[in-house]
Amino acid sequence: EVQLVQSGAEVKKPGESLKISCKTSGYSFTNYWIGWVRQMPGKGLEWMGLIYPRDSAAKYSPSFQGQVIISADKSTSTAYLQWTSLKASDTALYYCAREAYDDFWSAQRWFDPWGQGTLVIVSS
Amino acid sequence: SSELTQDPAVSVALGQTVRITCQGDRLRSYYATWYQQRPGQAPVLVMYGENSRPSGIPDRFSGSSSRNTAYLTITGAQAEDEAEYYCNSRDSSGDHLFGPGTKVTVL
Repeated sequence: EVQLVQSGAEVKKPGESLKISCKTSGYSFTNYWIGWVRQMPGKGLEWMGLIYPRDSAAKYSPSFQGQVIISADKSTSTAYLQWTSLKASDTALYYCAREAYDDFWSAQRWFDPWGQGTLVIVSS
Repeated sequence: SSELTQDPAVSVALGQTVRITCQGDRLRSYYATWYQQRPGQAPVLVMYGENSRPSGIPDRFSGSSSRNTAYLTITGAQAEDEAEYYCNSRDSSGDHLFGPGTKVTVL
């Protein structure tokens, strides 16, 4: 069974750094992109970016480029989302999800499964 | 435009049919995928590709598309289908985009 298990909730102060994790199991970690999605309180889903663990190639939404760092560790099959200086506006629920496909060479991709989400609260 | 647009909310009587729409230029080239999010839960994939349902998703869910519009239809809506539904699609560079979501209320 494919599973993505995220790290627990975090409460941080503005300006602090943070790295949250998404540990995967049940499939070949290096063969699939992993995505991160933000959901601010009471709001919709926002795609943040993707990482390909095989070579750590990363894509970022223009809205998040330069604001976060997405990384992956092949040795532990874990993806990460990192901030160097948090802001109150980073308060949100963050999900990781595997970008799935039927055919690796197909352009059709979807997110399945999803992690359970990590709540990040940034408050002074 | 690179946006995906959805109606904010729709309602359906128990057992009736509801169709949720998602519009955007990228849908002319790429199929939409659909996610169901119940309150307090992580999103769940309910439709992908031309009209494919993941294992465990009831066959009352179906997908279709025409030009720049994708549709998710629930035929015989059940109480447990009450949720927020988001469409998503990639573009040619592999970037994803979510629609703003449609809240489905089952009356």
